[in-house]
Amino acid sequence: DQQVKQNSPSLSVQEGRISILNCDYTNSMFDYFLWYKKYPAEGPTFLISISSIKDKNEDGRFTVFLNKSAKHLSLHIVPSQPGDSAVYFCAASADGNKLVFGAGTILRVKS
Amino acid sequence: EAQVTQNPRYLITVTGKKLTVTCSQNMNHEYMSWYRQDPGLGLRQIYYSMNVEVTDKGDVPEGYKVSRKEKRNFPLILESPSPNQTSLYFCASSPNVSPDTQYFGPGTRLTVL
Repeated sequence: DQQVKQNSPSLSVQEGRISILNCDYTNSMFDYFLWYKKYPAEGPTFLISISSIKDKNEDGRFTVFLNKSAKHLSLHIVPSQPGDSAVYFCAASADGNKLVFGAGTILRVKS
Repeated sequence: EAQVTQNPRYLITVTGKKLTVTCSQNMNHEYMSWYRQDPGLGLRQIYYSMNVEVTDKGDVPEGYKVSRKEKRNFPLILESPSPNQTSLYFCASSPNVSPDTQYFGPGTRLTVL
């Protein structure tokens, strides 16, 4: 039973447009959420995070939105660049415990 | 340079032949963890360690062992590998006992025939 779900295996976006990656979770005890980016042949790298006391966190072109009532979070990338092409993992933790990851979404930004 | 290193990066082995994948971090992090990545399943935690001599099971610990004798090293041991352990393995470390904002190694691609 996957507690963190990324239902879109892949997403293709034109350069300059917005990329929206979605993530749903089932465990209401999760209080911290993160997005990681992974390039081929490399380990995941931390991108952005959000605490459950917030509904939005922004860092440059990246914004994460959290909807606790819907148990849903999303990552917005504006504008999308070809270098953003990677696998994006959503992750969640409860009370500072271990991270639970989603299956990942492959983002392709076309130039 | 601050980093997490893993060795080997690629390994092909046969069923039952014991192997160890090493993991080392030079950031003096307390928290270290091992994950495996499989298609459609994302990253699943195998074992984690909150400090020296403190280890605990993650979600998929069966068939694996770990040790944490030193702060910087966290080897993953497969005593008797089986084909279902064919996977991409990542070691990670975090600056505090929370797993938030983990730094990942480059990965080890293991194939068990």
